[in-house]
Amino acid sequence: ELKVEQNPLFLSMQEGKNYTIYCNYSTTSDRLYWYRQDPGKSLESLFVLLSNGAVKQEGRLMASLDTKARLSTLHITAAVHDLSATYFCAVVGGSNYKLTFGKGTLLTVNP
Amino acid sequence: DTGVSQDPRHKITKRGQNVTFRCDPISEHNRLYWYRQTLGQGPEFLTYFQNEAQLEKSRLLSDRFSAERPKGSFSTLEIQRTEQGDSAMYLCASSVVSGNTIYFGEGSWLTVV
Repeated sequence: ELKVEQNPLFLSMQEGKNYTIYCNYSTTSDRLYWYRQDPGKSLESLFVLLSNGAVKQEGRLMASLDTKARLSTLHITAAVHDLSATYFCAVVGGSNYKLTFGKGTLLTVNP
Repeated sequence: DTGVSQDPRHKITKRGQNVTFRCDPISEHNRLYWYRQTLGQGPEFLTYFQNEAQLEKSRLLSDRFSAERPKGSFSTLEIQRTEQGDSAMYLCASSVVSGNTIYFGEGSWLTVV
């Protein structure tokens, strides 16, 4: 059974600081997703990572994938308050369509 | 460009009643998924359709749950004889077979009292 673990689960940052969220998964996968969720809202797609060594950046967020280590990272650069949200990683397993999600990282960026 | 649409957005029901949620996927998306999310948790997979065929159902989907996708367009998720443990947000998502991005709807919140 595919398991996805994120850490930390809670992250409180100051504006302007950098930090990294980690996502480990237990079995081979060829696709990893990062989503953002605001309170009471749905999931907004941030990144889809398809291959070993893939790196994608959008604004202050950068995601990378190491399929050999079964590890993805979401790096936050110079955090701003607007980035406060819950961030989920999700992995597609052998089924090729079913997402298995981590528990999410609740990020709070303080002034 | 319309995204994935879900209705109703919020539903409060008494225990034992039946509820039905509707999902309209993005046009021409042949894959449709239902997920359930409880507070403080990540979404959990419930079921998957490719066109009108329901190809997988999670063990989470008890006999009280049924999903359909007639004609491969919109989908419905019905919960019969609701229980308090059914309280959650039910998320619908869609994608194309050849694509990688999976788009989620706004979700339907269910509260069973």
